[in-house]
Amino acid sequence: AQSVSQHNHHVILSEAASLELGCNYSYGGTVNLFWYVQYPGQHLQLLLKYFSGDPLVKGIKGFEAEFIKSKFSFNLRKPSVQWSDTAEYFCAVRGDGGGFKTIFGAGTRLFVKA
Amino acid sequence: SQTIHQWPATLVQPVGSPLSLECTVEGTSNPNLYWYRQAAGRGLQLLFYSVGIGQISSEVPQNLSASRPQDRQFILSSKKLLLSDSGFYLCAWSVSPGQLGETQYFGPGTRLLVL
Repeated sequence: AQSVSQHNHHVILSEAASLELGCNYSYGGTVNLFWYVQYPGQHLQLLLKYFSGDPLVKGIKGFEAEFIKSKFSFNLRKPSVQWSDTAEYFCAVRGDGGGFKTIFGAGTRLFVKA
Repeated sequence: SQTIHQWPATLVQPVGSPLSLECTVEGTSNPNLYWYRQAAGRGLQLLFYSVGIGQISSEVPQNLSASRPQDRQFILSSKKLLLSDSGFYLCAWSVSPGQLGETQYFGPGTRLLVL
């Protein structure tokens, strides 16, 4: 069965610090990978996604993620965070044998201190 | 462009009362529709999905049911709410049904408190 693990439940950073949020999944087949973000009081929205091709994916607001197939990982990065990046971040995976199911991680709450 | 609406935004209901949460999508035809429950620290749990009118699949046994009376309308219901039904309910839509390459887009959610 597919599963997604996000390493940190809470992260606190100062502005301008670099960010890396870990995400590992368990599934042996072909996958689509996603990062969603939920800003306080807003919809859950898509940050970036990987379907195929270049494993380094760039998303909105300066975020990027790298798919490392050998490590079953899809870590999210941003070189310099801003206070406005305070949000909850969800990693998700959809496998080719998963039917209609996209599996979400438990989420990581990021708080950026101004 | 496509938009997704959920209402109500917040709901407080007594135990044993019925429930009806509504989700509608605009700007697309024959979408896949999903109901999720989001619990703090536990991510999103898929409750139901639908690939067409009247077609509902349940992912977990529970006190809830779903219906899709129209192409772009998805309703989450209960006949008698339990305390454990409290949570944040999200509706989502997608196209490219059931295949890799599908991306889901989420509504604003309904926060349900059962007392």
